[in-house]
Amino acid sequence: DAGVIQSPRHEVTEMGQEVTLRCKPISGHNSLFWYRQTMMRGLELLIYFNNNVPIDDSGMPEDRFSAKMPNASFSTLKIQPSEPRDSAVYFCASSSRLAGGLVNEQFFGPGTRLTVL
Amino acid sequence: AQSVTQLDSHVSVSEGTPVLLRCNYSSSYSPSLFWYVQHPNKGLQLLLKYTSAATLVKGINGFEAEFKKSETSFHLTKPSAHMSDAAEYFCVVSDRYGGSYIPTFGRGTSLIVHP
Repeated sequence: DAGVIQSPRHEVTEMGQEVTLRCKPISGHNSLFWYRQTMMRGLELLIYFNNNVPIDDSGMPEDRFSAKMPNASFSTLKIQPSEPRDSAVYFCASSSRLAGGLVNEQFFGPGTRLTVL
Repeated sequence: AQSVTQLDSHVSVSEGTPVLLRCNYSSSYSPSLFWYVQHPNKGLQLLLKYTSAATLVKGINGFEAEFKKSETSFHLTKPSAHMSDAAEYFCVVSDRYGGSYIPTFGRGTSLIVHP
């Protein structure tokens, strides 16, 4: 398996533009996570899907952020409009579940480095 | 509610000396615990995991961790540090919370290895 695939790897955009980040999880994994990492705030969980359904989006900063998972092999994170403070590395991770429902180890993608000018 | 505390934001060691990265957790149930490593400009990679089997867990690159329920700890150790171990390390707890199972990450510990 190629692992978790994220695109683009780097994105530079101007304030006010729409940004779409993409993620392809590992085949067979039924949990998908979007994280944001900055020096100031560390690693933050934005949203968590299980079987394509959003379970917890309490980490989504504000209405400018939205995430979808239309099927088991694809997810998007959209920022509209983007702002300079959204500059960060965005990671997607996928995992399976252990017996009893516990989340198993997460496999992380390489991340998308977003710069909003 | 679950939480994770990584007691040191930075740990500095000399090459060839032991490594100890500390992690304490709180959990209402029987958690799964993980350690991940992140090298500069890379994604996170699993080092090892505890899922209610043996309390002493061995991982990749010579790392191991011991689950101590009485102390609510899951410290990461390595007998001899290598320059390539310099990275950010994250302790993670995953437990039932409000009907969901969401991993909670610690703030991370930066390991610095001196020659």
